[in-house]
Amino acid sequence: DGGITQSPKYLFRKEGQNVTLSCEQNLNHDAMYWYRQDPGQGLRLIYYSQIVNDFQKGDIAEGYSVSREKKESFPLTVTSAQKNPTAFYLCASSIVGTGGSREAFFGQGTRLTVV
Amino acid sequence: SQKIEQNSEALNIQEGKTATLTCNYTNYSPAYLQWYRQDPGRGPVFLLLIRENEKEKRKERLKVTFDTTLKQSLFHITASQPADSATYLCALDRTGGSYIPTFGRGTSLIVHP
Repeated sequence: DGGITQSPKYLFRKEGQNVTLSCEQNLNHDAMYWYRQDPGQGLRLIYYSQIVNDFQKGDIAEGYSVSREKKESFPLTVTSAQKNPTAFYLCASSIVGTGGSREAFFGQGTRLTVV
Repeated sequence: SQKIEQNSEALNIQEGKTATLTCNYTNYSPAYLQWYRQDPGRGPVFLLLIRENEKEKRKERLKVTFDTTLKQSLFHITASQPADSATYLCALDRTGGSYIPTFGRGTSLIVHP
């Protein structure tokens, strides 16, 4: 079955550590996104990529980094520079272009907690 | 700057009634608007898309309207069921034609049996 997979589901990080969240899709989508969701808040865009080897900062990119070496993969690293990293992180993918439903497919999320 | 507003207060309705959720936006001229459902601890799931040149879209018990003059979309669930209880998010494409979904904070719907 096609889909988008995030791992791990839960992640605990000590202050000062970098952690990497995995996101893999087999939908053959060109575009991939990372969002952050805090309690009672909407989804805020961290980074996005519309083609392999290229990515752009979203609204809250500070303290985060990404790579897009393969079409299927878009890992997110939460660095020690991120002051308040505890949140629910969501990865999504979609087609690029003006046709179709432009539906974004989401993974199940990674809940990151700083301990 | 672009702003998307959804009612932050939960909407409580009785089973069988029609639920109506609102999405307003400012400083925007979106080419399309989407509605998603999100259950606790899970990623959002796409429900419907409506384009700027469409007034209304239907899918089973769901109906979406899009008024570009009022800068508003209404999302209706008819004959609501307790299983419809969830948070509903609206999303618009980012200005500049980049087609990146930008989300509102969502409205929680609670359907009472």
